[in-house]
Amino acid sequence: NAGVTQTPKFQVLKTGQSMTLQCAQDMNHEYMSWYRQDPGMGLRLIHYSVGAGITDQGEVPNGYNVSRSTTEDFPLRLLSAAPSQTSVYFCASSQPGVGEQYFGPGTRLTVT
Amino acid sequence: GIQVEQSPPDLILQEGANSTLRCNFSDSVNNLQWFHQNPWGQLINLFYIPSGTKQNGRLSATTVATERYSLLYISSSQTTDSGVYFCAVIMRAGSYQLTFGKGTKLSVIP
Repeated sequence: NAGVTQTPKFQVLKTGQSMTLQCAQDMNHEYMSWYRQDPGMGLRLIHYSVGAGITDQGEVPNGYNVSRSTTEDFPLRLLSAAPSQTSVYFCASSQPGVGEQYFGPGTRLTVT
Repeated sequence: GIQVEQSPPDLILQEGANSTLRCNFSDSVNNLQWFHQNPWGQLINLFYIPSGTKQNGRLSATTVATERYSLLYISSSQTTDSGVYFCAVIMRAGSYQLTFGKGTKLSVIP
């Protein structure tokens, strides 16, 4: 049972490039989400999904797209990277009704 | 939206000392979690504690939901306890959005 996994661990992009951050979980959790963490701050919600085919925006969704075609995977896409998107990105999952969320190891993204 | 305030923002302890970290929140919550972010950046679940008291080894937590605060106790601190401790809450039933505090940075020195 690997829990929540994220790839890559580190990524450097140039302004304007696109990329996809991968997130997968093997706990059969319905709920998955993406957060970003900026220096000296807690995490802020970007997008979330309550099940396959259902996604919604969180607190800071601009510049990011998501889709959920399977229960296991929840990729985060940056269509045109900007320096303001330099951050550490965390994926999380949980089961409905239980509440406790589990986080992946994070992806450290730098946009130059 | 809901406000989550953690105190103190920074804490330096001698190894073996005890400490109490506090989390205040501005509204009723349906979920409260404590996390430890270690120096490598990994977020580790400590407690899921919307109310009541729980203990896990040297760590324990108490949430008094009616008074809108939670406390995390660390006893006999070790250098491996260093890192940032986050409190995060979910305000209403059926929501899954965690709102995080800014954290307490703990440094345990030998």
